[in-house]
Amino acid sequence: NAGVTQTPKFRVLKTGQSMTLLCAQDMNHEYMYWYRQDPGMGLRLIHYSVGEGTTAKGEVPDGYNVSRLKKQNFLLGLESAAPSQTSVYFCASSYVAQRGASSSYEQYFGPGTRLTVT
Amino acid sequence: QQQVKQSPQSLIVQKGGISIINCAYENTAFDYFPWYQQFPGKGPALLIAIRPDVSEKKEGRFTISFNKSAKQFSLHIMDSQPGDSATYFCAANSGGSNYKLTFGKGTLLTVNP
Repeated sequence: NAGVTQTPKFRVLKTGQSMTLLCAQDMNHEYMYWYRQDPGMGLRLIHYSVGEGTTAKGEVPDGYNVSRLKKQNFLLGLESAAPSQTSVYFCASSYVAQRGASSSYEQYFGPGTRLTVT
Repeated sequence: QQQVKQSPQSLIVQKGGISIINCAYENTAFDYFPWYQQFPGKGPALLIAIRPDVSEKKEGRFTISFNKSAKQFSLHIMDSQPGDSATYFCAANSGGSNYKLTFGKGTLLTVNP
């Protein structure tokens, strides 16, 4: 059981280049998320998915696209990289645990991808 | 608009001391409040979580205190150890069909030996 894995771990891009980050989870979770982490800014949600074939915008979606063709995979694409997209990217997955009228859930994070755009 | 405000941004504590990190929220619909711990080079991991139907939850040296009327919650780390040195994030969720966590900006904790 590998949990959440991300590839690649590191990448350097030139401005204008494109790339795709891959996230895979083997926990059969319905929900998946892409975050970026920048110093002093915490974790900011880029896009998320509540199930196979669905995606939705998060807090900072501009310049990114996503796809969830298979339940276990969530891809993050950068169409034309910019220096402002230099960041550490984290993927996460979760399920919802029902407890009476309430629900709670834990997000499981991958190890991150460090991206530098020059 | 930041819905969960976390303080302090950084904290230095001596070994054996108490570390306290505070968070305040605005959305009264929030009903699940987790804390995540992140070590350098790793992804965040759930540390402890609380619901507003209790005022305190303790797991080992880690305690969450919750004040519903003040819309505040805090993490207390008793007998802090150098191995506790990490970044801590508070978060909140409003349940229902909202599958997202709103995170605070994080606190970098350093525990000196």
